[in-house]
Amino acid sequence: DAKTTQPTSMDCAEGRAANLPCNHSTISGNEYVYWYRQIHSQGPQYIIHGLKNNETNEMASLIITEDRKSSTLILPHATLRDTAVYYCIVRVARTNRDDKIIFGKGTRLHILP
Amino acid sequence: DTAVSQTPKYLVTQMGNDKSIKCEQNLGHDTMYWYKQDSKKFLKIMFSYNNKELIINETVPNRFSPKSPDKAHLNLHINSLELGDSAVYFCASSQTAGRNQETQYFGPGTRLLVL
Repeated sequence: DAKTTQPTSMDCAEGRAANLPCNHSTISGNEYVYWYRQIHSQGPQYIIHGLKNNETNEMASLIITEDRKSSTLILPHATLRDTAVYYCIVRVARTNRDDKIIFGKGTRLHILP
Repeated sequence: DTAVSQTPKYLVTQMGNDKSIKCEQNLGHDTMYWYKQDSKKFLKIMFSYNNKELIINETVPNRFSPKSPDKAHLNLHINSLELGDSAVYFCASSQTAGRNQETQYFGPGTRLLVL
């Protein structure tokens, strides 16, 4: 299974863009990069995912390098409510019946007022 | 409307007791999961069910027995509770196990404290 490496914590000023890096140098060609976040005392929340191309939705943008060995999650205008632990995950699905998310330690993002 | 709901939200009990946690999803998904988040905040999968059939069992003690009466429900029964079972348990669901593009939706968690 591909593993991911993320910084333990990051700070970002409110209103600025938060850029969260993730390394996944052993990712396989058919594995997607997913991002989830967990706000304090809540369940994990899906943010975005991608394979090769950059992706954008109403929550964030995902930039994946051409060699797919790293990616960056971008929260364009961070608010205090974005304070959470952000998990970068590479999906492992060896068979149609073996799909699971393996969570790492994630990055604790603090949005500062 | 809550997509994935769990009951109870908090559960405090004595060591040795048997307890159940219930999970329901109204998303029409065919796969449901149980995760455990310990005091160090590591989130690990325990079980997954697809169409009421057990798919993943991650070396969980057999004191833990999931039961899926239908696709929308996955309950977790725990026998002979131990101190180390204290954790937050999250239920999740997704559509079509195994496809990389499917996301999982998580419930709010059940905070279990064993005394």
